[in-house]
Amino acid sequence: GENVEQHPSTLSVQEGDSAVIKCTYSDSASNYFPWYKQELGKRPQLIIDIRSNVGEKKDQRIAVTLNKTAKHFSLHITETQPEDSAVYFCAASRNNAGNMLTFGGGTRLMVKP
Amino acid sequence: DADVTQTPRNRITKTGKRIMLECSQTKGHDRMYWYRQDPGLGLRLIYYSFDVKDINKGEISDGYSVSRQAQAKFSLSLESAIPNQTALYFCATSDLGTPRANEQFFGPGTRLTVL
Repeated sequence: GENVEQHPSTLSVQEGDSAVIKCTYSDSASNYFPWYKQELGKRPQLIIDIRSNVGEKKDQRIAVTLNKTAKHFSLHITETQPEDSAVYFCAASRNNAGNMLTFGGGTRLMVKP
Repeated sequence: DADVTQTPRNRITKTGKRIMLECSQTKGHDRMYWYRQDPGLGLRLIYYSFDVKDINKGEISDGYSVSRQAQAKFSLSLESAIPNQTALYFCATSDLGTPRANEQFFGPGTRLTVL
């Protein structure tokens, strides 16, 4: 089965700095890679996703890059703000697995004002 | 997001007790999932269901069972709870027939403590 590893487990940055979270996956057939954000005490919510036919995707201050050859993908947050503080989860799945997601262990991001 | 609800939100129980966690959704989605969240381990899939007559085991199904009573309801049962089942449990839904078919929508979670 798929195995997703996520690093770092905790990340502390100053407000305005950039943050990068990295994930690796094991199943070369995986072709869908979402990122979920979970604020303290809240439910996880999708913030951005990328498919294997795309190398990079941006949405305002967040971007995701994918390297299929190396089987890793990353989340980039620029100009971090205190409200970016949360736990971020990466995940991977493949179409013929019917939306089944395998999640990474999560990264706790702390943005210091 | 009140479209996916879970009851109870918090539960404390004792070892050996039977516990049922319930999930309801008004999104009309066909697919439903149960996850547990433990610190440092992310979200791990327990069971999933693609429609009312379909039940599948996930990564960590031992010690759990599920029931899909209707399209909108998916229940998770712990037949004989044990302390290492103490965790935060999330229900989620998705719908293959929507433009964002892969997105999963999570409920608010149920915090379960087994003493």
